[in-house]
Amino acid sequence: QSALTQPASVSGSPGQSITISCTGTSRDVGGHNYVSWYQQHPGEVPKLLIYDVNNRHSGVSDRFSGSKSGNTASLTISGLQAEDEANYYCSSYTTISTLVFGTGTKVTVL
Amino acid sequence: QVQLVQSGPEVQKPGASVKVSCKTSGYSFSLYGITWVRQAPGQGLEWMGWISVHNGNTNYAQNLQGRLTLTTDTSTSTVYMELKSLRSDDTAVYYCARGYGSGSFIYWGQGTLVSVSS
Repeated sequence: QSALTQPASVSGSPGQSITISCTGTSRDVGGHNYVSWYQQHPGEVPKLLIYDVNNRHSGVSDRFSGSKSGNTASLTISGLQAEDEANYYCSSYTTISTLVFGTGTKVTVL
Repeated sequence: QVQLVQSGPEVQKPGASVKVSCKTSGYSFSLYGITWVRQAPGQGLEWMGWISVHNGNTNYAQNLQGRLTLTTDTSTSTVYMELKSLRSDDTAVYYCARGYGSGSFIYWGQGTLVSVSS
């Protein structure tokens, strides 16, 4: 099972919006709606942001939103803040009952 | 509160095995599965496998089949991850997380660094 494809890096200025893509296949992202997004600051444990494509985990800022079209899921961060600088990973359940993570995206706040 | 507490760091030689524990508390152990994820230094997250505590069913990543074994001890609410025939590229932080199936993990262990070096 190959990792889902994410851009290596995305950057934006404070207040701007950025979108991170997560591209898979019909065997994972396109096969159902079990796509999640995680934020990980260096040296820390991953933190769940979004589950089931577009549901925000409790306590997560509404500046984070998720969507999906076909085999590509997306995470949008609006009103970018300095604290959003981190690594972001998508994950998807697969049609063979496994899980696959994305390659990861480093978000830089300029 | 829900807690997953993992065992301490390990240093192993190539070819050896390692067994990492994940002791859970704060919830009904049998109601949730446990997933294992690893992260090599400076790299991304890699799903290793998961175990249903309810019925013991497991599913492992294809690249770890034959080397990875997940087990549970219901008497201590602990899940174990054993990886055999260690190689240098198994050096990573290993995490356990509560969940099985949908891939949304709220609760994670603190991580266990496993270093493989001769």
